[in-house]
Amino acid sequence: QSALTQPASVSGSPGQSITISCTGTSSDVGSYNLVSWYQQHPGKAPKLMIYEGSKRPSGVSNRFSGSKSGNTASLTISGLQAEDEADYYCCSYAGSSSYVFGTGTKVTVL
Amino acid sequence: EVQLVESGGGLVQPGGSLRLSCAASGFTFSSYWMSWVRQAPGKGLEWVANIKQDGSEKYYVDSVKGRFTISRDNAKNSLYLQMNSLRAEDTAVYYCARVGGIDYPFDYWGQGTLVTVSS
Repeated sequence: QSALTQPASVSGSPGQSITISCTGTSSDVGSYNLVSWYQQHPGKAPKLMIYEGSKRPSGVSNRFSGSKSGNTASLTISGLQAEDEADYYCCSYAGSSSYVFGTGTKVTVL
Repeated sequence: EVQLVESGGGLVQPGGSLRLSCAASGFTFSSYWMSWVRQAPGKGLEWVANIKQDGSEKYYVDSVKGRFTISRDNAKNSLYLQMNSLRAEDTAVYYCARVGGIDYPFDYWGQGTLVTVSS
């Protein structure tokens, strides 16, 4: 049950696209197409942004997209906006009704 | 509107116990798996425990097995986390979260309750 690996920080200018990687193992990310992504602003609860690898819940901007290849999942934010500045966490189902989160990535809008 | 409201956090000495509660409203509580997720100060999220709709199945992260117990009372729309033998490393904000589905986990979160383990 080791945390999934994410870059500590990613930055971009308004309007640009950024991608956050999330690397796991063949026991979690690689075994299931069940990666979700969460956005967390300071002092707030996390918010579900992507589920099942690439699907968006109702109300989430289509500027957010997800994908997966092998043991690595990715979150792309296109048309970066100031309000996107936050921490982002990936999460994978890990079998036996357990989940594992990523280490988290701080997104900075320059 | 789905609402999850945690309570019961506070300061406790190492080795002590604490019971967290989560009051749910705005959805059919008995139809969903529920979870506890924690976040140590300045750190990332960590899944702690899951419980099935009827309470018949419970799962825990290795670091809390044997010390924490998740439970629920569907008649009261409430989720609980009994925490025993607390350690400094259990210090965190504890969130109650609804599991919308195996493919749709943690779709709603509470505001969290802070547990501080210190002498």
